[in-house]
Amino acid sequence: GAVVSQHPSRVICKSGTSVKIECRSLDFQATTMFWYRQFPKQSLMLMATSNEGSKATYEQGVEKDKFLINHASLTLSTLTVTSAHPEDSSFYICSATVTAAVYPQHFGDGTRLSIL
Amino acid sequence: DAKTTQPPSMDCAEGRAANLPCNHSTISGNEYVYWYRQIHSQGPQYIIHGLKNNETNEMASLIITEDRKSSTLILPHATLRDTAVYYCIVRTPNTGNQFYFGTGTSLTVIP
Repeated sequence: GAVVSQHPSRVICKSGTSVKIECRSLDFQATTMFWYRQFPKQSLMLMATSNEGSKATYEQGVEKDKFLINHASLTLSTLTVTSAHPEDSSFYICSATVTAAVYPQHFGDGTRLSIL
Repeated sequence: DAKTTQPPSMDCAEGRAANLPCNHSTISGNEYVYWYRQIHSQGPQYIIHGLKNNETNEMASLIITEDRKSSTLILPHATLRDTAVYYCIVRTPNTGNQFYFGTGTSLTVIP
């Protein structure tokens, strides 16, 4: 099946640091990528939708200046958590797909972000 | 967005069929039903999807009722490795194909 690689898998950093997470589709060209966050014992919450070459569309309540998304190519999207604080600690997951309802989203294995 | 309702938890004996229900009574005609599962601390894994007809693949079968208001995911011979949270999602093509995850069903396969 389609493979989506997410890096890093885990990051621990100090409060105030900016952290970049990469999401790559390894064997297909992803016209659309999505970013989610998941708190312990909760479901995945969609943060934003990213189409290649366009500005990301953020879900209500998600700060676009806090969570910078870049989707410069059909195989790479990045999420940068700017000036991270302890409340940003979470499990961040990306997915990639092509723009058709019949095509599944394929998910990365997530990034565990811990802000001290 | 069409909402889905799933039981919060289920148990299944190893080797038996696991039948996971999902209600999506407000689904629209062009919305697909997708099933994923998530094992602890991993990304969700795609299982199967369908629009109107029943579907089967190497992992599972998907049974969609004729009125499309509910569906059932069937794992024919559950193993311990099938213990996971299973999510039923309705995909909305008109507004960008986003997935809005519900709370899912936590399936425990018992030896």
